[in-house]
Amino acid sequence: NAGVTQTPKFQVLKTGQSMTLQCAQDMNHEYMSWYRQDPGMGLRLIHYSVGAGITDQGEVPNGYNVSRSTTEDFPLRLLSAAPSQTSVYFCASTRDRTNEKLFFGSGTQLSVL
Amino acid sequence: GESVGLHLPTLSVQEGDNSIINCAYSNSASDYFIWYKQESGKGPQFIIDIRSNMDKRQGQRVTVLLNKTVKHLSLQIAATQPGDSAVYFCAENKRAAGNKLTFGGGTRVLVKP
Repeated sequence: NAGVTQTPKFQVLKTGQSMTLQCAQDMNHEYMSWYRQDPGMGLRLIHYSVGAGITDQGEVPNGYNVSRSTTEDFPLRLLSAAPSQTSVYFCASTRDRTNEKLFFGSGTQLSVL
Repeated sequence: GESVGLHLPTLSVQEGDNSIINCAYSNSASDYFIWYKQESGKGPQFIIDIRSNMDKRQGQRVTVLLNKTVKHLSLQIAATQPGDSAVYFCAENKRAAGNKLTFGGGTRVLVKP
C-alpha cells in the first residue's frame, strides 16, 4: 500500500515556466488537498477536492490550478511560476470531508529562479 | 483573522523526560484540534485529535489537553525517545467550513541523549 505518492521530489524552474506536480493515492479517499510549507510558517491550504469532479479554493489559491478527473489523482498546476512560489508542496488525502486524519505525501521541493 | 499559533519554536528535552508542546488558538468555533508530527524530509503524520467537547484524550505515550477557557491546546509526550525528535504542528478544523485545516507554525523538539 503506497499511500500518497508525489512526483517529482525536487524541481527547479525559471520564472514564467509552467509545470504540474503529480499526486496519487491508492486508499480510495474522497478528499484530497494541496498545501505549501514555507520556513517558519505552518502549512497553508492551496486547493482541495471533496471528490472526483469537485474542486475548491483554499487559503492561497492564486497562481495554481487543480483538477480531479479520477478519485486517485489530484495534480497541481503552476501556470507561470514566480519566485514567490518557491516552497515545499504537500499533497494529502483523507477518507472524506468529515475526517481530520490527513495522510500526506513526502513533498515536492520547488525552487523558482 | 482567526489563527492557530505556538508558544515555543524549539524545545530541547532529555531522553526519558516528558515533553509538553503548547498551542494557542483563537477560533472558538473550531470542532476539532489535531496534532501532527513531521520528521525531517517527510510529510506530516497524524498523531492524535480531540473534539471540542472534550478536555483530554490519551493515545500511546501521548496526551492532548484542551482548555477552551483560555483557548489553549497542549501535547504531552511521555518518556521522550530519540524518535520523537521532529517538528510538531497543531491544527484546528471547523467541519462545517469544509474540512480546511488551519495549521500553526510548528515547534521543533530535540531529544538529547
